[in-house]
Amino acid sequence: EADIYQTPRYLVIGTGKKITLECSQTMGHDKMYWYQQDPGMELHLIHYSYGVNSTEKGDLSSESTVSRIRTEHFPLTLESARPSHTSQYLCASSELRSETSGGRTDTQYFGPGTRLTVL
Amino acid sequence: KNQVEQSPQSLIILEGKNCTLQCNYTVSPFSNLRWYKQDTGRGPVSLTIMTFSENTKSNGRYTATLDADTKQSSLHITASQLSDSASYICVVSDRGSTLGRLYFGRGTQLTVWP
Repeated sequence: EADIYQTPRYLVIGTGKKITLECSQTMGHDKMYWYQQDPGMELHLIHYSYGVNSTEKGDLSSESTVSRIRTEHFPLTLESARPSHTSQYLCASSELRSETSGGRTDTQYFGPGTRLTVL
Repeated sequence: KNQVEQSPQSLIILEGKNCTLQCNYTVSPFSNLRWYKQDTGRGPVSLTIMTFSENTKSNGRYTATLDADTKQSSLHITASQLSDSASYICVVSDRGSTLGRLYFGRGTQLTVWP
């Protein structure tokens, strides 16, 4: 089981509030990711990081911001939450691994997710 | 356009039965394909991963196959159990960048009834 944690697991807040979703991993992985997932839909990458002080926006436009001050910690912040931000947010980290086939793969380990509801 | 399509969208089977889930992709250049299991309200957990040179890989009762020529993969579940009820997600990685961009399918929602 992956050692990657997210808090809170569930959050219900009002419009306009500032929130921070926490993500931490104890595996020493350099790469970390934030995904957004709506019910029955695919995961969409919103932010990623290659390491400390490295952050990039993903494919899905997001009004959130991230920071990576420590290897193990990758928080996501919404300055002013809106109902359109209601979704499940999944954090992941990855390591480069050699496969028996001779190739190398980047396996992502996911946290349990934060279910955010903005009223 | 790089895409991953999964079928069926949902599936209901009785406990003890076998089932096969399908994944078709158009991702190029191809690096690897993974199957994840996602329980309701949880994050995805990796089941199998296959690179270009592999055409089958097993993980307990789960067996994944890959045909890189037709760009198809399947996940076969043997002797299903109630705990197999989950969404099964096919994820394909390309070789176009250092990140190894991931393309996610929408998943097949499997329900196992007693």
